[in-house]
This record gives sequence, structure tokens and C-alpha cells, in this order.
Amino acid sequence: QLVLTQSPSASASLGASVKLTCTLSSGHSSYAIAWHQQQPEKGPRYLMKLNSDGSHSKGDGIPDRFSGSSSGAERYLTISSLQSEDEADYYCQTWGTGILVFGGGTKLTVL
Amino acid sequence: QVQLVQSGAEVKKPGASVKVSCKASGYTFTSYGISWVRQAPGQGLEWMGWISAYNGNTNYAQKLQGRVTMTTDTSTSTAYMELRSLRSDDTAVYYCARDEDGSYVDYWGQGTLVTVSS
Repeated sequence: QLVLTQSPSASASLGASVKLTCTLSSGHSSYAIAWHQQQPEKGPRYLMKLNSDGSHSKGDGIPDRFSGSSSGAERYLTISSLQSEDEADYYCQTWGTGILVFGGGTKLTVL
Repeated sequence: QVQLVQSGAEVKKPGASVKVSCKASGYTFTSYGISWVRQAPGQGLEWMGWISAYNGNTNYAQKLQGRVTMTTDTSTSTAYMELRSLRSDDTAVYYCARDEDGSYVDYWGQGTLVTVSS
């Protein structure tokens, strides 16, 4: 079964970097994913598509502070030079034959 | 620029139906699909299903099979999602999103709040 696992919460200080993790279920380690950001009281926004080799393509207007990387079944979103507006929920998303799947989301707190 | 503009908030009674629209602009409508995603209060994102704007093919989430229908009108570049036999746990914000042919979504609508209450 295709499942994405995310830690429920993360925190980091203003100006620092943070690395969020999304883990693909067993047997799906070659799958690409997408990262989405949802700021408080707003709709989601697409950040990037991230392939298993770590290559990624970002959405329109996404700052260079956002980057992606991969290792095995893990997919990462790194945010550098954290700003207050980065405080948000971050969701990973993947797809299989006839289905899309979202992870449970990580709530990022900027201290 | 790509835009997805959804219809306004709805309040429905249990057992009723709701139909949400999503008007696309800024791209060739039939070159992509539309996924529908909902978010219950305080919860995460739940994929509901997908429709190809090219040929109308659909895939629905298993838990909604039989209650949901997705359609498109290519003449107006509009997608629709109808959910029937509404229950209180269908209360959520419903989003449409442009879908790269049943893969990842890269643009989102602004969301439509559907409240189911007696």
C-alpha cells in the first residue's frame, strides 16, 4: 500500500535552516513526490516536484531558500534562512495507478 | 497566469447534495487533469478523485465511490464535483487542483467551504 509518513511537528529558529522528511512506504522508494505548503488560514501552495534522484522542479515564484533532496525512500524539504512566513503546514504528495496520496503533514513552527 | 476559481461557500442539510465548480484559466484546459482534495476542520489533506479534462476519464477514492461524480465542461474550462448523501463528516473545505495527468498537483483553487448541518 502506498503511504507517505511525515513527522507531525518540527521547529527551528528564525534565520536558521530546517529539513523536513517524508518517507515512502516499503516497495515505493523510486517514487517521485511533490511538496506543498499551507500557511495558516490559507489554501495549499505547490512548492516543488522531487524525484528519487534528488532532482527537483519548483513552482512559480518559489524562493531559492526552498530545496529538495532524496535518499532511498526518504524525501526531504530543506528551508534555509527561515522567515516568519515559513511557519506553515507542509504536505508531501505522491501518486500511483489511479490514486493520489498525501502525507499527514508537518506543522513547522518558527521560533 | 494559471488560475483556478471556485464557487462560493455552501450550507447543506444531511442527505442533500452539493456541486462545486472550478473555473480554470491561463492554460490549455484539456492538456491537464483536475484533482479534488478536501480538508476537514483541523485535519490534513484528503484526495477525493481525479478527472482528465482531455477525455473525461475519472478515478475516485475508494471511500467516496458511489457518492461522488466529477465532470468537466471544456467549452467553459470548468470542472465540477458533486457529492451526494451528505453527512456531517463531509463538512470541509473542498479544493480543486490542476493535475499533471493523475500525478502531482501544481496549482490550487482558493477552496470552497461546505458545511453540512441540520
